[in-house]
Amino acid sequence: NAGVTQTPKFQVLKTGQSMTLQCAQDMNHNSMYWYRQDPGMGLRLIYYSASEGTTDKGEVPNGYNVSRLNKREFSLRLESAAPSQTSVYFCASSEALAGAFLGTQYFGPGTRLTVL
Amino acid sequence: AQSVTQLDSHVSVSEGTPVLLRCNYSSSYSPSLFWYVQHPNKGLQLLLKYTSAATLVKGINGFEAEFKKSETSFHLTKPSAHMSDAAEYFCVVSPANTGNQFYFGTGTSLTVIP
Repeated sequence: NAGVTQTPKFQVLKTGQSMTLQCAQDMNHNSMYWYRQDPGMGLRLIYYSASEGTTDKGEVPNGYNVSRLNKREFSLRLESAAPSQTSVYFCASSEALAGAFLGTQYFGPGTRLTVL
Repeated sequence: AQSVTQLDSHVSVSEGTPVLLRCNYSSSYSPSLFWYVQHPNKGLQLLLKYTSAATLVKGINGFEAEFKKSETSFHLTKPSAHMSDAAEYFCVVSPANTGNQFYFGTGTSLTVIP
Protein backbone atom coordinates (compact mmCIF):
# COMPACT_ATOMS: atom_id res chain seq x y z
CA ASN A 1 0.00 0.00 0.00
CA ALA A 2 1.97 3.00 -1.27
CA GLY A 3 -0.59 5.68 -0.34
CA VAL A 4 -0.24 8.77 -2.52
CA THR A 5 2.63 8.87 -5.00
CA GLN A 6 3.81 11.81 -7.09
CA THR A 7 6.20 12.09 -10.00
CA PRO A 8 8.57 13.71 -10.58
CA LYS A 9 10.13 14.71 -7.24
CA PHE A 10 12.08 17.60 -8.75
CA GLN A 11 11.78 19.53 -12.01
CA VAL A 12 13.39 22.59 -13.55
CA LEU A 13 11.62 24.27 -16.47
CA LYS A 14 12.29 27.28 -18.63
CA THR A 15 9.61 29.94 -18.99
CA GLY A 16 7.05 28.83 -21.57
CA GLN A 17 7.72 25.13 -21.33
CA SER A 18 4.94 22.73 -20.44
CA MET A 19 4.83 19.74 -18.15
CA THR A 20 2.45 17.39 -16.35
CA LEU A 21 2.71 16.40 -12.72
CA GLN A 22 1.40 12.92 -12.04
CA CYS A 23 -0.40 11.73 -8.92
CA ALA A 24 -1.81 8.33 -8.03
CA GLN A 25 -3.43 6.86 -4.92
CA ASP A 26 -4.16 3.27 -4.02
CA MET A 27 -6.56 3.84 -1.12
CA ASN A 28 -9.73 3.80 -3.24
CA HIS A 29 -10.46 7.41 -2.28
CA ASN A 30 -13.08 9.35 -4.17
CA SER A 31 -11.61 12.83 -3.73
CA MET A 32 -8.25 14.12 -4.92
CA TYR A 33 -6.57 17.52 -4.69
CA TRP A 34 -3.67 19.58 -5.97
CA TYR A 35 -2.07 22.22 -3.75
CA ARG A 36 0.87 24.53 -4.05
CA GLN A 37 2.98 25.55 -1.07
CA ASP A 38 4.84 28.84 -1.00
CA PRO A 39 6.82 30.29 1.93
CA GLY A 40 4.61 32.04 4.48
CA MET A 41 1.40 31.16 2.65
CA GLY A 42 0.54 27.67 3.77
CA LEU A 43 -1.04 25.38 1.21
CA ARG A 44 -3.37 26.79 -1.41
CA LEU A 45 -5.80 24.67 -3.35
CA ILE A 46 -5.33 24.71 -7.12
CA TYR A 47 -7.94 22.20 -8.26
CA TYR A 48 -9.81 19.32 -6.72
CA SER A 49 -11.85 16.38 -7.90
CA ALA A 50 -14.65 15.32 -5.61
CA SER A 51 -15.17 12.11 -7.54
CA GLU A 52 -14.13 10.41 -10.76
CA GLY A 53 -15.29 12.44 -13.72
CA THR A 54 -15.56 15.77 -11.91
CA THR A 55 -13.08 18.58 -11.34
CA ASP A 56 -13.46 22.01 -9.75
CA LYS A 57 -11.34 25.09 -9.37
CA GLY A 58 -9.79 25.92 -6.04
CA GLU A 59 -8.29 29.16 -4.79
CA VAL A 60 -5.48 29.56 -7.39
CA PRO A 61 -6.40 27.74 -10.65
CA ASN A 62 -4.99 30.21 -13.20
CA GLY A 63 -2.24 28.75 -15.38
CA TYR A 64 -3.13 25.15 -14.55
CA ASN A 65 -5.31 22.37 -15.93
CA VAL A 66 -6.18 19.01 -14.41
CA SER A 67 -7.37 15.63 -15.55
CA ARG A 68 -9.01 12.98 -13.39
CA LEU A 69 -7.92 10.08 -15.55
CA ASN A 70 -9.64 7.44 -13.42
CA LYS A 71 -10.35 6.91 -9.74
CA ARG A 72 -6.65 6.42 -8.95
CA GLU A 73 -4.99 9.16 -10.97
CA PHE A 74 -5.19 12.95 -10.98
CA SER A 75 -2.73 14.93 -13.07
CA LEU A 76 -1.83 18.63 -13.05
CA ARG A 77 -0.64 20.34 -16.23
CA LEU A 78 1.22 23.58 -16.70
CA GLU A 79 0.73 24.59 -20.33
CA SER A 80 3.16 27.52 -20.36
CA ALA A 81 5.21 27.69 -17.21
CA ALA A 82 5.96 31.05 -15.57
CA PRO A 83 8.45 31.93 -12.81
CA SER A 84 5.47 32.65 -10.51
CA GLN A 85 4.69 28.94 -10.65
CA THR A 86 7.92 28.07 -8.89
CA SER A 87 6.63 26.22 -5.85
CA VAL A 88 6.27 22.89 -4.12
CA TYR A 89 3.23 20.98 -5.37
CA PHE A 90 1.38 18.47 -3.24
CA CYS A 91 -1.24 15.99 -4.29
CA ALA A 92 -3.68 14.64 -1.71
CA SER A 93 -6.62 12.28 -1.54
CA SER A 94 -9.44 11.76 0.92
CA GLU A 95 -12.50 9.69 1.54
CA ALA A 96 -15.77 11.46 0.92
CA LEU A 97 -17.88 10.47 3.88
CA ALA A 98 -21.61 10.78 4.02
CA GLY A 99 -23.07 13.49 6.18
CA ALA A 100 -21.38 16.58 7.50
CA PHE A 101 -17.83 15.46 8.06
CA LEU A 102 -15.07 14.65 5.67
CA GLY A 103 -12.34 12.10 5.88
CA THR A 104 -8.68 12.71 6.45
CA GLN A 105 -6.48 13.95 3.63
CA TYR A 106 -3.40 11.90 2.80
CA PHE A 107 -0.56 13.72 1.09
CA GLY A 108 2.06 12.73 -1.41
CA PRO A 109 5.75 13.64 -0.87
CA GLY A 110 5.59 16.70 -3.12
CA THR A 111 7.18 17.94 -6.34
CA ARG A 112 9.66 20.81 -6.18
CA LEU A 113 9.27 22.84 -9.37
CA THR A 114 11.56 25.67 -10.42
CA VAL A 115 10.72 27.83 -13.43
CA LEU A 116 13.62 29.90 -14.73
CA ALA B 1 -16.76 32.58 4.36
CA GLN B 2 -14.27 30.11 5.70
CA SER B 3 -10.87 31.00 7.11
CA VAL B 4 -8.19 29.72 9.42
CA THR B 5 -5.87 31.93 11.47
CA GLN B 6 -2.78 30.55 13.10
CA LEU B 7 -1.94 33.21 15.61
CA ASP B 8 1.82 32.65 15.75
CA SER B 9 4.06 32.20 12.73
CA HIS B 10 6.97 31.06 14.93
CA VAL B 11 7.06 29.43 18.37
CA SER B 12 10.20 28.52 20.31
CA VAL B 13 10.18 26.29 23.37
CA SER B 14 12.80 24.53 25.42
CA GLU B 15 12.96 20.76 25.32
CA GLY B 16 10.75 19.30 28.04
CA THR B 17 8.47 22.35 28.34
CA PRO B 18 4.85 22.57 27.14
CA VAL B 19 3.89 23.41 23.57
CA LEU B 20 0.90 25.57 22.61
CA LEU B 21 0.12 26.31 18.96
CA ARG B 22 -2.94 28.47 18.50
CA CYS B 23 -5.59 28.22 15.80
CA ASN B 24 -8.84 30.11 15.31
CA TYR B 25 -11.30 29.39 12.55
CA SER B 26 -14.25 31.01 10.92
CA SER B 27 -16.90 28.77 9.45
CA SER B 28 -20.56 29.15 8.69
CA TYR B 29 -21.19 25.46 9.14
CA SER B 30 -20.07 22.77 11.54
CA PRO B 31 -16.51 22.06 10.50
CA SER B 32 -14.10 19.20 10.56
CA LEU B 33 -10.80 20.42 11.99
CA PHE B 34 -7.33 18.97 11.54
CA TRP B 35 -3.74 19.53 12.56
CA TYR B 36 -0.98 18.43 10.19
CA VAL B 37 2.77 18.41 10.73
CA GLN B 38 5.43 18.88 8.06
CA HIS B 39 9.04 18.08 8.77
CA PRO B 40 11.68 19.76 6.57
CA ASN B 41 11.51 18.66 2.94
CA LYS B 42 8.76 16.17 3.71
CA GLY B 43 5.07 15.83 2.94
CA LEU B 44 2.29 16.53 5.43
CA GLN B 45 1.30 14.03 8.11
CA LEU B 46 -1.95 14.04 10.05
CA LEU B 47 -1.53 14.68 13.78
CA LEU B 48 -5.18 14.61 14.80
CA LYS B 49 -8.68 15.50 13.67
CA TYR B 50 -11.95 16.67 15.18
CA THR B 51 -15.19 15.38 13.73
CA SER B 52 -17.66 16.04 16.58
CA ALA B 53 -17.20 12.81 18.52
CA ALA B 54 -15.36 14.49 21.42
CA THR B 55 -14.13 18.03 21.98
CA LEU B 56 -10.74 16.91 23.30
CA VAL B 57 -8.92 15.05 20.58
CA LYS B 58 -5.78 13.00 21.12
CA GLY B 59 -3.33 12.55 18.30
CA ILE B 60 0.00 10.96 17.59
CA ASN B 61 3.27 11.72 19.39
CA GLY B 62 1.54 13.01 22.53
CA PHE B 63 -0.25 15.92 20.88
CA GLU B 64 -3.83 16.83 21.62
CA ALA B 65 -6.24 19.62 20.70
CA GLU B 66 -9.45 20.95 22.19
CA PHE B 67 -12.36 22.15 20.08
CA LYS B 68 -14.01 25.19 21.69
CA LYS B 69 -17.03 26.23 19.68
CA SER B 70 -17.72 29.36 21.76
CA GLU B 71 -14.20 30.60 21.08
CA THR B 72 -13.97 29.16 17.54
CA SER B 73 -10.59 27.77 18.51
CA PHE B 74 -8.74 24.50 18.02
CA HIS B 75 -5.41 24.95 19.80
CA LEU B 76 -2.75 22.23 19.67
CA THR B 77 -0.88 21.28 22.84
CA LYS B 78 1.75 18.88 24.07
CA PRO B 79 2.87 18.61 27.71
CA SER B 80 6.57 18.17 27.02
CA ALA B 81 8.38 19.12 23.82
CA HIS B 82 10.88 16.79 22.20
CA MET B 83 13.61 17.75 19.77
CA SER B 84 11.87 15.69 17.07
CA ASP B 85 8.80 17.96 17.35
CA ALA B 86 10.63 20.76 15.53
CA ALA B 87 8.61 21.20 12.34
CA GLU B 88 5.93 23.26 10.61
CA TYR B 89 2.37 22.78 11.87
CA PHE B 90 -0.78 23.52 9.90
CA CYS B 91 -4.31 23.95 11.18
CA VAL B 92 -6.93 22.97 8.60
CA VAL B 93 -10.69 23.46 8.50
CA SER B 94 -13.21 21.76 6.27
CA PRO B 95 -16.71 23.15 6.62
CA ALA B 96 -19.60 20.79 6.03
CA ASN B 97 -21.06 22.71 3.11
CA THR B 98 -18.00 23.17 0.90
CA GLY B 99 -18.06 19.93 -1.05
CA ASN B 100 -14.80 18.38 0.08
CA GLN B 101 -12.71 21.55 0.32
CA PHE B 102 -10.03 22.03 2.94
CA TYR B 103 -8.71 25.44 4.06
CA PHE B 104 -5.18 25.72 5.45
CA GLY B 105 -3.71 28.17 7.91
CA THR B 106 -0.39 29.77 7.01
CA GLY B 107 1.51 27.51 9.40
CA THR B 108 3.43 27.78 12.66
CA SER B 109 7.11 26.93 12.73
CA LEU B 110 8.05 25.22 15.99
CA THR B 111 11.64 25.40 17.21
CA VAL B 112 12.73 23.24 20.13
CA ILE B 113 15.77 24.48 22.02
CA PRO B 114 17.96 21.84 23.67
